Amino acid sequence: DAGVIQSPRHEVTEMGQEVTLRCKPISGHDYLFWYRQTMMRGLELLIYFNNNVPIDDSGMPEDRFSAKMPNASFSTLKIQPSEPRDSAVYFCASTTGTPRGNQPQHFGDGTRLSIL
Amino acid sequence: AQSVTQLGSHVSVSEGALVLLRCNYSSSVPPYLFWYVQYPNQGLQLLLKYTTGATLVKGINGFEAEFKKSETSFHLTKPSAHMSDAAEYFCAVSEHAGGTSYGKLTFGQGTILTVHP
Repeated sequence: DAGVIQSPRHEVTEMGQEVTLRCKPISGHDYLFWYRQTMMRGLELLIYFNNNVPIDDSGMPEDRFSAKMPNASFSTLKIQPSEPRDSAVYFCASTTGTPRGNQPQHFGDGTRLSIL
Repeated sequence: AQSVTQLGSHVSVSEGALVLLRCNYSSSVPPYLFWYVQYPNQGLQLLLKYTTGATLVKGINGFEAEFKKSETSFHLTKPSAHMSDAAEYFCAVSEHAGGTSYGKLTFGQGTILTVHP
């Protein structure tokens, strides 16, 4: 089975530019998560969706960040305008949901973002 | 609220030695607990999970972990380290949520395991 697919794997851009990260979850998974990983803050949950609907976006750092899930097989995380402090590895994860939350999340290989 | 503390950001062992990575959690309800491994330039991969039942859980690559409620711990062990075990390891706790809400994962800060020849 194909895992969670993220693109691009690496992105280098200049401050002020718009950045769009993409994620294709595992087919049949109805939960999708966006995380950010940095040395200073570790793994942070930014937002998650259930059946394409955003459930909790309390981790989104600022209005410059937005996420969408137009259908069950695609999600985007957009940063506009980007700043150097947004440099991090961004992970997408998906899972099948249960009310008890005991299903593991499956992670993509991440997008390494560098804002110059 | 839930939280996870991993004791030791770096652990170094010799090949063939015991691996012990410590994890303590805080949760107001019985937790679901996970260990993930991250190899360089890759995403997180599930090693093992505890949900209910047997408190000693076996995972992939010879790892196991024991849930100890009285100690609020979920330490990860492997009897004999291999060079290929060198990676970063994350402990995570899943929040119970009522209704149809999914439990969010809270991760520890990670422990980097180095294996020396």
